[in-house]
Amino acid sequence: QPVLTQPPSASGTPGQRVTISCSGSSSNIGKNYVYWYQQFPGMAPKSLIYKNIQRPSGVPDRFSGSKSGTSASLAISGLRSEDEADYFCATWDDSLNGVVFGGGTKLAVL
Amino acid sequence: QVQLVQSGAEVKKPGASVRVSCKASGYTFMNYDINWVRQAPGQGLEWLGWMVPYTSKTGYAQKFKDRIIMTRNTSTDTAYMELTSLRSEDTAVYFCARGPHLWPGGVDSWGQGTLVIVSS
Repeated sequence: QPVLTQPPSASGTPGQRVTISCSGSSSNIGKNYVYWYQQFPGMAPKSLIYKNIQRPSGVPDRFSGSKSGTSASLAISGLRSEDEADYFCATWDDSLNGVVFGGGTKLAVL
Repeated sequence: QVQLVQSGAEVKKPGASVRVSCKASGYTFMNYDINWVRQAPGQGLEWLGWMVPYTSKTGYAQKFKDRIIMTRNTSTDTAYMELTSLRSEDTAVYFCARGPHLWPGGVDSWGQGTLVIVSS
């Protein structure tokens, strides 16, 4: 079972805003940075958000991250068909002394 | 540009070992950590461990610490991950990923992945 909890699926229509949640605990999200990765089928993941809210260069500002307490969220505004992918959250866990991931959220653009 | 190029797919029998390589280019190999992450078919991401190429220091996920070894060759800027005592549940795509020191717990670039199939 993944240490971080994400909804298995999410959906939206083009142009909409969707959010994906990531729930953890005081030993992981509560104390450390959260990262978000985007993965298309058959491809390697790609960095989307780092250190809770930062976007690597080249990532559109339609993607934004936030963190509060032991939870984090990824928001995608102006949804596009090419955003249809799997999204994973990750962070360091002080108790496990390692990186932990969420189970992933499959985003459908209807 | 930053590139991490991994070795090709492997088919192994239960009980065997597998070694996956990850050749780095486009940056100073010694200045970034290398993480290893795997993904079983249709499943999520699972972290295996990390290595600091500059010092060879490693950190392994508790689940794998008894059967995983991470090494590097600084003359070829290549990182290696060896997993021993393979079982069918180890069938997965294995990724190496670069970890900036200023991104604790995060990675910014990924290899293309190496499929490892464990089957009798």
